[in-house]
Amino acid sequence: AQKVTQAQTEISVVEKEDVTLDCVYETRDTTYYLFWYKQPPSGELVFLIRRNSFDEQNEISGRYSWNFQKSTSSFNFTITASQVVDSAVYFCALSERGGSEKLVFGKGTKLTVNP
Amino acid sequence: DAGVIQSPRHEVTEMGQEVTLRCKPISGHNSLFWYRQTMMRGLELLIYFNNNVPIDDSGMPEDRFSAKMPNASFSTLKIQPSEPRDSAVYFCASNLGTSGYNEQFFGPGTRLTVL
Repeated sequence: AQKVTQAQTEISVVEKEDVTLDCVYETRDTTYYLFWYKQPPSGELVFLIRRNSFDEQNEISGRYSWNFQKSTSSFNFTITASQVVDSAVYFCALSERGGSEKLVFGKGTKLTVNP
Repeated sequence: DAGVIQSPRHEVTEMGQEVTLRCKPISGHNSLFWYRQTMMRGLELLIYFNNNVPIDDSGMPEDRFSAKMPNASFSTLKIQPSEPRDSAVYFCASNLGTSGYNEQFFGPGTRLTVL
């Protein structure tokens, strides 16, 4: 069965610190898809990135970067030089047959960036 | 283009009353998903439709919950009768529904409080 574990419930950092949010997944499928979503205090869910199981290339987008390692079933998210606006709950999610199928979410990591 | 639209944004009702949540997906999207978010259970899929047909309703908690998608631009989630434990934020999401790993776009959510 699918499962996503975000072991860090809450993280608190000071602005400009780097922070890494961990995500470990379980699946029996060889084809699967991983996603990160951000939920700011306003409550909406904002898509950040997707990755398929055949593409282990890491990705960088501005201050955000993602490290996908199939060997450890992990898809970690790093924010470099964090800012107060990064404060949010971040969710990692897994889909076994593409985004058309259901997403299984982790419990989320609440990140607080203090000025 | 407008995003996923949900109404109402907030609903307060008394136990035993019928509640209807509404969703308009993004135009051109073929898949629609209903999720529920609670502190205890996190984000969980209730049901999803593809081309207006329910595909997986295994997450619907019990017979008090029902969902319909009469056409490509409208879906409802109904709770009858409502109970206090149904209090949660209900999200609707949509995506292209094609093969591949398409991200789901979420609406702003409906915050339901059952007294």
